[in-house]
Amino acid sequence: GAVVSQHPSWVICKSGTSVKIECRSLDFQATTMFWYRQFPKQSLMLMATSNEGSKATYEQGVEKDKFLINHASLTLSTLTVTSAHPEDSSFYICSARETEPYEQYFGPGTRLTVT
Amino acid sequence: GQNIDQPTEMTATEGAIVQINCTYQTSGFNGLFWYQQHAGEAPTFLSYNVLDGLEEKGRFSSFLSRSKGYSYLLLKELQMKDSASYLCAGMDSNYQLIWGAGTKLIIKP
Repeated sequence: GAVVSQHPSWVICKSGTSVKIECRSLDFQATTMFWYRQFPKQSLMLMATSNEGSKATYEQGVEKDKFLINHASLTLSTLTVTSAHPEDSSFYICSARETEPYEQYFGPGTRLTVT
Repeated sequence: GQNIDQPTEMTATEGAIVQINCTYQTSGFNGLFWYQQHAGEAPTFLSYNVLDGLEEKGRFSSFLSRSKGYSYLLLKELQMKDSASYLCAGMDSNYQLIWGAGTKLIIKP
């Protein structure tokens, strides 16, 4: 099956700093990548959808200037959390999809803790 | 609007069978997905149905009725490792997934 990697697996940063999370599709070309956030015991929340070479589409309520998404190639997307605050502490998960088939393959997630 | 409904929590016994139901309303329809998510981990793909009927894959089966906007995930011969959340997601006309809140399945010995 398709493999998606995410790096780092977990990160602790200080309030006010920025953190970059990478998402890579290892054995397929991901025309679309998705970024989700999940708080403990809550459901997945889609943050944004990105297509290779174009600007990401953000969901309502997600600040695009705070969560910078770059999908520079068919195998790599990055999410940068700028000026992180403790309330940004969460589990960030990316997923990737080819044009067809349509199933999304998830990376292992990145647990962010902002102190 | 678009909506996915599934029970919040279910309990079943090891070795038994459990059926997790899901009803969906999406703008257009391009299929129904089921994912499994263990606590603290990312979701993993279980099944995809786009045509009516039952798809069997080992101990897991998934059923779809497009006319009723209904799907279920059937888990047989339950094992303790099946304790997880099961996420139902419908794909709309833009090929975007609309996620349910997940069903937490608790398996008791």
